[in-house]
Amino acid sequence: NAGVTQTPKFQVLKTGQSMTLQCAQDMNHEYMSWYRQDPGMGLRLIHYSVGAGITDQGEVPNGYNVSRSTTEDFPLRLLSAAPSQTSVYFCASSYTRLGGPYEQYFGPGTRLTVT
Amino acid sequence: GIQVEQSPPDLILQEGANSTLRCNFSDSVNNLQWFHQNPWGQLINLFYIPSGTKQNGRLSATTVATERYSLLYISSSQTTDSGVYFCAVGRNGNQFYFGTGTSLTVIP
Repeated sequence: NAGVTQTPKFQVLKTGQSMTLQCAQDMNHEYMSWYRQDPGMGLRLIHYSVGAGITDQGEVPNGYNVSRSTTEDFPLRLLSAAPSQTSVYFCASSYTRLGGPYEQYFGPGTRLTVT
Repeated sequence: GIQVEQSPPDLILQEGANSTLRCNFSDSVNNLQWFHQNPWGQLINLFYIPSGTKQNGRLSATTVATERYSLLYISSSQTTDSGVYFCAVGRNGNQFYFGTGTSLTVIP
């Protein structure tokens, strides 16, 4: 199993550009999520999905879109990048339990800089 | 949301020393995990422990859900234990909240 994979590892964007961060998992997990990590802070939930075709907002969703067309993939789209979106982005996946995520496993992260 | 406080924020240890990291949370939870973020940024699962006690080698964790705290014990610390330790919690749903972490440096 490759686990949770993310691409790219690093990305530099100019303000106003768009891009998609890719996330894939091969563990047949229902739950997938995106977090951002800013310096000196813990991770904050951006969006999550409990299955194909189902997505919802987390704590900091503004400026980001997601979709889930397959169990394996959960891409994160930045429609018009802003310097405030400079961060490290982590994708995670897990089985569900009591309607929520069970033990979550994280990908290696994508370091994004917006100039 | 649920407030998660971790202490201490920073910790420096001599190799071989023991330590206790604490995680307090503001509401009842049914999901709690401890993670280690290594110096390369990778998040590594340590424990899934919404209640009770677990041990894995030199690490152990205890969660007292009724009193809203969890403890992570590191014994005989090694330089490879350096990094940031995060506690994260969730309750009856899909929101998951992280603390700001404890930064651990183990000196040879």
